[in-house]
Order: sequence, then structure tokens, then C-alpha cells
Amino acid sequence: AQSVAQPEDQVNVAEGNPLTVKCTYSVSGNPYLFWYVQYPNRGLQFLLKYITGDNLVKGSYGFEAEFNKSQTSFHLKKPSALVSDSALYFCAVRDPQGQGSPHFGAGTRLTVKP
Amino acid sequence: DSGVTQTPKHLITATGQRVTLRCSPRSGDLSVYWYQQSLDQGLQFLIQYYNGEERAKGNILERFSAQQFPDLHSELNLSSLELGDSALYFCASSSTSGPSYEQYFGPGTRLTVT
Repeated sequence: AQSVAQPEDQVNVAEGNPLTVKCTYSVSGNPYLFWYVQYPNRGLQFLLKYITGDNLVKGSYGFEAEFNKSQTSFHLKKPSALVSDSALYFCAVRDPQGQGSPHFGAGTRLTVKP
Repeated sequence: DSGVTQTPKHLITATGQRVTLRCSPRSGDLSVYWYQQSLDQGLQFLIQYYNGEERAKGNILERFSAQQFPDLHSELNLSSLELGDSALYFCASSSTSGPSYEQYFGPGTRLTVT
């Protein structure tokens, strides 16, 4: 069975400060991990993924995420937040042997205040 | 723009009615997924098709059905609609059904059942 948890419903940061959106996962074997962002009235947009290799993955819009196998985490980070980063962020996990959809977290709403 | 198109953008209908939502995947993508997003339940996977064949089923109600046509577009049929079916319905596509590939989401269809 596979699952993903986003422990924070809401994250608030000031513009220019670093941001972290947390994600932990549960999957048998090595996971495939994804981050997506959803802006208001839009579909989800792919940000980045971890499949194998370097634990630090860089993605779109200056975001990056670090895969930590011992802590089963895949936190999304950005060194300096922008007001335009305010959106709903989803973490997703897939079992490499599995079929069907990734398992999505419940989402974390990020608000960046000027 | 993800390259995935969905029609219509908005749909308002009455309880008991039947509607059809349409999705055209990105050019070259063979796999199509359908999701329901409501405020209290997050993103729920409904069903996946790959190159015209059903590949995986999620929490899809018996009142709902889908198909993927030879030109790879897909339709989601919702019948005997209830108030609780009001939600955003997203279609996503990926190039294969493999788990390492990210998904590209359409803008969604907002369904309101009155």
C-alpha cells in the first residue's frame, strides 16, 4: 500500500523568506515522488519529481525538494518566497511496481504575504 | 498551458440528470486519468485509460463511466446526478502508463448540480 501525508493544511511565510512545504510518504520499496502546484481556478501543474539519483531535485520556478529515505520525507523548498507562489501544493507518491494514479496528499495551502 | 483541454468549463444541471465531460490529452500522450476534486475530499482518482483500454479504477461510482476513443480523447459520463456530485472534474494525461512519468492536467470542468 502507498500513502502520502502533508501534515500542514496551511503554511504562511513572508515574501523573501525561505519556505518549506512538508511531505512524508509510505510505500513498499523505492518511491517515485512528485510535487504539483494548483493556482486558483486552474488544474494542477507539475513542479518536480524524484525517481532515482541525487537526493536534491530542482524544479520549476526555483523550487527544489530533498528526498530523505531514512525519514521517508520529500519536503518542497524555495530559498526566497514570492507572493506569486501563493497556491495549493500537492505531494504525490507512486509505487514503481504499481498501476493507476499516484496517491496525492490532501494539499497544503501556501500563503506568501508581502 | 498544459496542452490538455477539457470541455465544457462550467456545467450547471439538475439532480437526476446525465452529463458528459470531454478531455483531449496532450499530443502524443496515450494515458488519460480522471479526477474529482471537492472541497472536503481533496483530489480523488476515478479511472485511468491507456490507449483505449481501461487500466486502473479508483473510487468511481457505478453511476459514472468513462471511455477513451481511438483518437485518444476521453469522455466521463455522470448519470443520476446528486447534489454531492458537484465538484471540479480534472482530466490528466501522461505519455505512458508507467509510474515514473509526470501527469499534465487540464483546466477542469466545474460541475454544479442543483
